[in-house]
Amino acid sequence: NAGVTQTPKFQVLKTGQSMTLQCAQDMNHNSMYWYRQDPGMGLRLIYYSASEGTTDKGEVPNGYNVSRLNKREFSLRLESAAPSQTSVYFCASSAGKAGNQPQHFGDGTRLSIL
Amino acid sequence: QQPVQSPQAVILREGEDAVINCSSSKALYSVHWYRQKHGEAPVFLMILLKGGEQMRHEKISASFNEKKQQSSLYLTASQLSYSGTYFCGTATYELTFGTGTRLQVTL
Repeated sequence: NAGVTQTPKFQVLKTGQSMTLQCAQDMNHNSMYWYRQDPGMGLRLIYYSASEGTTDKGEVPNGYNVSRLNKREFSLRLESAAPSQTSVYFCASSAGKAGNQPQHFGDGTRLSIL
Repeated sequence: QQPVQSPQAVILREGEDAVINCSSSKALYSVHWYRQKHGEAPVFLMILLKGGEQMRHEKISASFNEKKQQSSLYLTASQLSYSGTYFCGTATYELTFGTGTRLQVTL
């Protein structure tokens, strides 16, 4: 029972480098989400995909892009990493609409940008 | 706008009770509660829907006052395993999480 799988678990980047965080779920969920978690800030939504083929901005989308590759996979891309993007990134999925379905989280990617 | 949680932190002895509150300035469709242990992912506890019943997860229960746009999480006879940070999430369409309440249960 893998649930939501994120790769990599840890990454260190230099300012200006790009990278893609991968997320895959095996629960046949329609909706997927990317959050960042900073100390004292809780979880903030970056982007979400309500269903395959759609993506929408969340609270803090600047500096990020996403791709819903298929129903299972939802990737997050940092085109030109900045130190302010140092954070823990969580991917989550839910069966349907965020309001009435529980979200299942991956183990997170700890990203440091120097 | 983030929901506001209170208290920000609480320390309990094993067996004691605690209440964590969550309030929003917006009309809510539902309230979620999650628990996160240090270095781990958040784990779903329960959802309270508008017009729904009070929910329970083991010895943890929650209520949702739709008129006041508030929810409370009740931890009864706390156990060491209850330690962690509790987040409420309020939903209109997307989920917006509060900043969390850090709960530590000691012997």
